[in-house]
Amino acid sequence: EAGVAQSPRYKIIEKRQSVAFWCNPISGHATLYWYQQILGQGPKLLIQFQNNGVVDDSQLPKDRFSAERLKGVDSTLKIQPAKLEDSAVYLCASSSLLASTDTQYFGPGTRLTVL
Amino acid sequence: SQQGEEDPQALSIQEGENATMNCSYKTSINNLQWYRQNSGRGLVHLILIRSNEREKHSGRLRVTLDTSKKSSSLLITASRAADTASYFCATDTGRRALTFGSGTRLQVQP
Repeated sequence: EAGVAQSPRYKIIEKRQSVAFWCNPISGHATLYWYQQILGQGPKLLIQFQNNGVVDDSQLPKDRFSAERLKGVDSTLKIQPAKLEDSAVYLCASSSLLASTDTQYFGPGTRLTVL
Repeated sequence: SQQGEEDPQALSIQEGENATMNCSYKTSINNLQWYRQNSGRGLVHLILIRSNEREKHSGRLRVTLDTSKKSSSLLITASRAADTASYFCATDTGRRALTFGSGTRLQVQP
């Protein structure tokens, strides 16, 4: 089966610019996650969707980050305006059940550099 | 803050040797999972151990869990150059999202 797809793979922007990332989960997976992974650290959950509803966005900096999952399939994550500390890899993952005991499948990530 | 902390932060061994990585966490968990991340790639699920289990095996992987000490270890036996990667533990505390540790970078020298 096809894995989790993400684009773009790399993005370089100036601070205060906006940027958007796209994720296409594994077909049929109801749960979708966006993680932020800063260099040298483990992934940190930003937002979790169940179908097109938000389950957990407690760690999403809502003043600059937004995410949506239209029709419960693809998802986009947006940063506006970007700050230097947003430089990180943004990982999308999906799983077939809401319970975290189900395996999460990760995409290759988008590496963002903010100058 | 991150729930799990891996130890050591970095590990370098020769091919054929065993590699042991440890993970400590702070709060009660439902299960603990280990993931591998190759350079420039996403994470790959390796193994899950539930809170009522003490040991689990999968191929060359052996995971132990000590809930009284809030710690877990991942043992990779007969390591190969292809095992070079970062390894993360992730805990499920019942909040429906995994919390990842900071990872151990493993280098296996051929």
